[in-house]
Amino acid sequence: AQSVAQPEDQVNVAEGNPLTVKCTYSVSGNPYLFWYVQYPNRGLQFLLKYITGDNLVKGSYGFEAEFNKSQTSFHLKKPSALVSDSALYFCAVRVLSGNTGKLIFGQGTTLQVKP
Amino acid sequence: KAGVTQTPRYLIKTRGQQVTLSCSPISGHRSVSWYQQTPGQGLQFLFEYFSETQRNKGNFPGRFSGRQFSNSRSEMNVSTLELGDSALYLCASSPPGTANEKLFFGSGTQLSVL
Repeated sequence: AQSVAQPEDQVNVAEGNPLTVKCTYSVSGNPYLFWYVQYPNRGLQFLLKYITGDNLVKGSYGFEAEFNKSQTSFHLKKPSALVSDSALYFCAVRVLSGNTGKLIFGQGTTLQVKP
Repeated sequence: KAGVTQTPRYLIKTRGQQVTLSCSPISGHRSVSWYQQTPGQGLQFLFEYFSETQRNKGNFPGRFSGRQFSNSRSEMNVSTLELGDSALYLCASSPPGTANEKLFFGSGTQLSVL
């Protein structure tokens, strides 16, 4: 079955330090990978996606993600965390069905950035 | 451009009742997907509608159903509610021609079943 896994329920980091939120995937064929963020009492917002090309993908709010095919990982990173980055982060993979697809999400990782 | 609108924002129901949730997608978006979010299970895909037809379906019992209207607005219905149906139900729409690569989510309907 095609899936994504986020091994950490919560990540704690001090403001100004680099952050990493981990994601691994299991798909057949070439993966289409995504990161979404959910702020309190809000729906999810798209951060970035990897379809093909450079392994380092840049997205919104200074976030980037590194695709690693050999490790089947797609970790989310940011060089310097902000308190306002505190939120719930979801990794997702697109599963094809006919000529369309659906996104399958991981369990989510809560990022807590402390001042 | 208005975002994805979900109504109502909160719902409280009792076991055995049924509930209908509504979603208005972004103008021009014809694909609408529904997800159930719970703390223990994360985000689970319910179904997707496109041009009034169900195009994808997740692994939920038949108590969960949906439909889409000609103006792309969508409703989902849950019959015979169970305590475990308490969750945040999220609707998302997708621009045409993107095969659901990028979803725009509403703020959700928080359903509590007592």
